[in-house]
Order: sequence, then C-alpha cells, then structure tokens
Amino acid sequence: EAQVTQNPRYLITVTGKKLTVTCSQNMNHEYMSWYRQDPGLGLRQIYYSMNVEVTDKGDVPEGYKVSRKEKRNFPLILESPSPNQTSLYFCASSLGGRMNTEAFFGQGTRLTVV
Amino acid sequence: AQSVTQPDIHITVSEGASLELRCNYSYGATPYLFWYVQSPGQGLQLLLKYFSGDTLVQGIKGFEAEFKRSQSSFNLRKPSVHWSDAAEYFCAVGARSSASKIIFGSGTRLSIRP
Repeated sequence: EAQVTQNPRYLITVTGKKLTVTCSQNMNHEYMSWYRQDPGLGLRQIYYSMNVEVTDKGDVPEGYKVSRKEKRNFPLILESPSPNQTSLYFCASSLGGRMNTEAFFGQGTRLTVV
Repeated sequence: AQSVTQPDIHITVSEGASLELRCNYSYGATPYLFWYVQSPGQGLQLLLKYFSGDTLVQGIKGFEAEFKRSQSSFNLRKPSVHWSDAAEYFCAVGARSSASKIIFGSGTRLSIRP
C-alpha cells in the first residue's frame, strides 16, 4: 500500500530536549516536504527536499533541521524545541520532484513542548 | 507571491443539503489549484485538482470545483452532503514557476447537522 509514515504520532517533550520526527514513503517519490498546522493558519511549509541531499527552506524553517540521505526518508529534527513549536506536523511526498502533482500526506505528529 | 483565502472558518449544513465552500486566490498567472480534505485525526487527502483545460473539475466523493479566472476563485461544491463529509477542507494554490511551493488556505471546518 502506498503510504507516508510518520513516527511518533504523539509526542510530549520538554523545552530544549532534542527530538526527531521520522518520515518515510514507499512510493519512490523525489519530492518530500514538512508542514506544520496551527489553528487559523492552515499548513505552513517548514522545509522541502527535491531529491537526495537536496533540501531547502520553506516559509517557517527557524528552529528546525532536516536531512535527506535516502530517497525514502526525510526526518525533521528539532535541536532545541521551544513551546512555540507545539503544533501538528505533517510530512508529504509527491512524484516527479514537483509538488504541483498530487501530494500524499502522513497522518501527522502532534507535538507538545512544555 | 501567491496566497489563498478561505473566508469561512466554520460551516454547518444539514445532511442532504447542498454545499459550497469558498476559495479565493491571489496569483499573477494561472495557478495550479487543489482541494484537500482532512478527516479528524488523519492526514490530508486530495479531493481534486485543476491544472488546465475544463474549468469544472470532478473529484472523489462526489465533489466538484469550478475555476473562475475572472473572480480568482476555485469554490468546492457538492450537491448533497453526507454525515461522513464532516471534516476540514483546505484549498491550496501552487505556482507553475516553482516546483516547491504550494500555499494552503487556513481551512474551513464543515459540520453536518443530522
């Protein structure tokens, strides 16, 4: 089954404790992206990757890092989480290196930073 | 820069009634346009998309949307809603000149009255 898998689904952590949210897709998609969803703001792009070892900032990259060492994986790293990073996070992938085709989304990771 | 406005934060309709969710976009040329649905606790699923051609686009689950260039709109419609349509709906716009950018609206939450 074609899917994007994020882990964990729920995470509560403390300020400053490094964490990683994993994202994996099994569709051989070139393009992957991370979004955060906040009430009243819709989805805002954090980082995206057009292929292995190619990443770039989205609209709200501050406080986040990503890596793309393999095509299927695109982890999101919070080196020193802060309460304003409490949010619902989505990973997405799409075919052909262009986000302007159908995007497949993971089920989301709800992060709470206390 | 492109932007998307969904003027209705929350809409309630009766089961069996017709539905129209509004979406207005701002973009200098003809954009790519999308509607996604997010069921509670789930990721986003593509309902339909407009790239070019026929301005009336059919999607899954009985939804359709019409691209109106003169009004910069891409409203989503369904002739008769079902209780299972209760969800959050996101309009999104992608730039033809950029492989990376899709901007999401802030979403419209749809409730169904029995």
